[in-house]
Formats: sequence, structure tokens, C-alpha cells
Amino acid sequence: EAGVAQSPRYKIIEKRQSVAFWCNPISGHATLYWYQQILGQGPKLLIQFQNNGVVDDSQLPKDRFSAERLKGVDSTLKIQPAKLEDSAVYLCASSFPGGDTEAFFGQGTRLTVV
Amino acid sequence: DQQVKQNSPSLSVQEGRISILNCDYTNSMFDYFLWYKKYPAEGPTFLISISSIKDKNEDGRFTVFLNKSAKHLSLHIVPSQPGDSAVYFCAAGMEYGNKLVFGAGTILRVKS
Repeated sequence: EAGVAQSPRYKIIEKRQSVAFWCNPISGHATLYWYQQILGQGPKLLIQFQNNGVVDDSQLPKDRFSAERLKGVDSTLKIQPAKLEDSAVYLCASSFPGGDTEAFFGQGTRLTVV
Repeated sequence: DQQVKQNSPSLSVQEGRISILNCDYTNSMFDYFLWYKKYPAEGPTFLISISSIKDKNEDGRFTVFLNKSAKHLSLHIVPSQPGDSAVYFCAAGMEYGNKLVFGAGTILRVKS
């Protein structure tokens, strides 16, 4: 079974530039998550989708971060403009909705803002 | 507000011995708890979970214990193997697999 795919693996940008990350979840998984993991901390949920609808985006800095999940499959997360404190690993995960199921994570995108 | 805390940043254990990783939570509404393992440059992988209606769940060498009154859970690995060396994250949620809150992680080193 193919896992959660993310690209790019690494990205270095200057502050105030924009960047986008892409995620392809496991086939059949209706729920998709974007997490931000800052060095030395646990993953923090940024946004959660159920199909193409947003379930929770309470911790998404909406002035600079945006995410979409068109057609309920792939998703993109964008940062514009980036700040130094956005340097982190951005993790995408997917799961079946509810029930006894865990979330499967992709390898993540390591973003460095200089 | 840290709702899930892993107070030990690191743990070093001899191969063959028991590893015990601890996790505390503050939100009494959490009803599912999971442990994830993470190797460098990889995403977290699910290890084991426990529902709040249980106090123990076992899967091979891994056992998770839940003490609801103390809002504490622990992961026991017996026997520990060098391949278990990784970062272990405790996570909690109010609906299984959804809206997980993660701890900061504990780095486990198993020495051979």
C-alpha cells in the first residue's frame, strides 16, 4: 500500500518569500491533516480536512498560511509571506474518518527560512 | 498550554532491558491515546494505542498502560533493541485519529 506522499522534501527560502507544499494522502483516506513540527517540539495541528471541507483550522495563522484540498484528494499548504519562525518540518497525515484508525504520516517537508 | 507533556527529553537503556517512556496529560476529555515512533528524516509511524475504557494494551514487545485518575500513561518496551532507538511521541485526542495533541517527544537510545 502506498503511503502518504509529500513534496518537496527540503526547501530553503528567504523571509518574505512564498512557498507551497504538496501532499497526496493514502487512497481512500477522507481525513487529511497538516502538522507543523518545530525543532524540539511535537507536531502541532495546523488544519484538518474531511474530504474537501475544513474541520479544524483554529491553529492556522490565516494571515500568512492557506491550505486547500480540491476534489477531496491532494492538498497544498502555502505560506506567504514566510517568516523566520516558520522554519519547521511540515507533516501531512491522512486517516479514515473516525472509528478505530490511526493517522499515517508522510516524510515531511523541512522548511528553512533565512 | 501544553495539554500533553513528556517530561523526559531523553532516555538511555541497555539492550535487553526494559524501556519506560512516560506521558502526562491535563485534559480529562481525552479518550484516546497513541504512541508514535519517529526516525530521523522520516514521518512519525504509529506504534500502539489505548482507549480510555482500558488500562492496558499489549502488542508484542510494546505495552501501554493508562492511569486515568493520574492522567498518566506509559509505554513499556521489553526487551529493548537497538532498532528501537528513535523519538517517541505521545498523542491524545477526543476522537480516535482526529485532532491529536502531541507531546514534545522523548529520545530513546538503546545501547548494545
